[in-house]
Amino acid sequence: QVQLVESGGGVVQPGRSLTLSCVASGFTFSSYVMHWVRQAPGKGLEWVAVLSHDSSRAYYAESVKGRFTITRDNSKNTLYLQMNSLRAEDTAIYYCARDVNWQLFDYWGQGALVTVSS
Amino acid sequence: QTVVAQEPSLTVSPGGTVTLTCVSSIGALTIDNHPNWFQQRPGQPPRALIFDATNKYYWTPARFSGSLLGGKAALTLSGVQPEDEAEYYCLVCYGGVWMFGGGTKLTVL
Repeated sequence: QVQLVESGGGVVQPGRSLTLSCVASGFTFSSYVMHWVRQAPGKGLEWVAVLSHDSSRAYYAESVKGRFTITRDNSKNTLYLQMNSLRAEDTAIYYCARDVNWQLFDYWGQGALVTVSS
Repeated sequence: QTVVAQEPSLTVSPGGTVTLTCVSSIGALTIDNHPNWFQQRPGQPPRALIFDATNKYYWTPARFSGSLLGGKAALTLSGVQPEDEAEYYCLVCYGGVWMFGGGTKLTVL
């Protein structure tokens, strides 16, 4: 069965960096577009970034452009989100999600909590 | 700044029918915006319900249906069940960049 498992969350000070991972199983990871989506405590969903199956195309939300980088290692079935210059407003649960043909988000992970606080 | 708007909250009686809508400040939504709908219960990740405005997943209950009407994406629940009480989000795409609506809190009462 399709599984996405995020890790790497935690408490980090403002201005510091953190990298999230999302390990995929149960499907051919290298064939799928992948996304990061976040949800601040008590707030709605916010799309963060997307990466094509071959890493040739990436898009970012304006709120994270220039600070966050989405990458993947298809040999390890793993998606990453490198987050630099973190701010308090980046505090959220971060979900990875699978995308089929740039049109749908069918499977989601359980999420990883990132707290930015001094 | 582009805004994707949804009704903040709706209330429906068990067995009733309710329609949630999704509108974009850019203009009319079309199939090219790939409207998606998700359900999220407290403490859970989102669950996909509808993609490309009208298409269901194999796990989507039959009482859920999606449509595009008058430039808006819509999610209709017919024969609402108590377990449908949740937050519902639409998601649309503009040239590779995706945007969620603000969400609709659906109360079944």
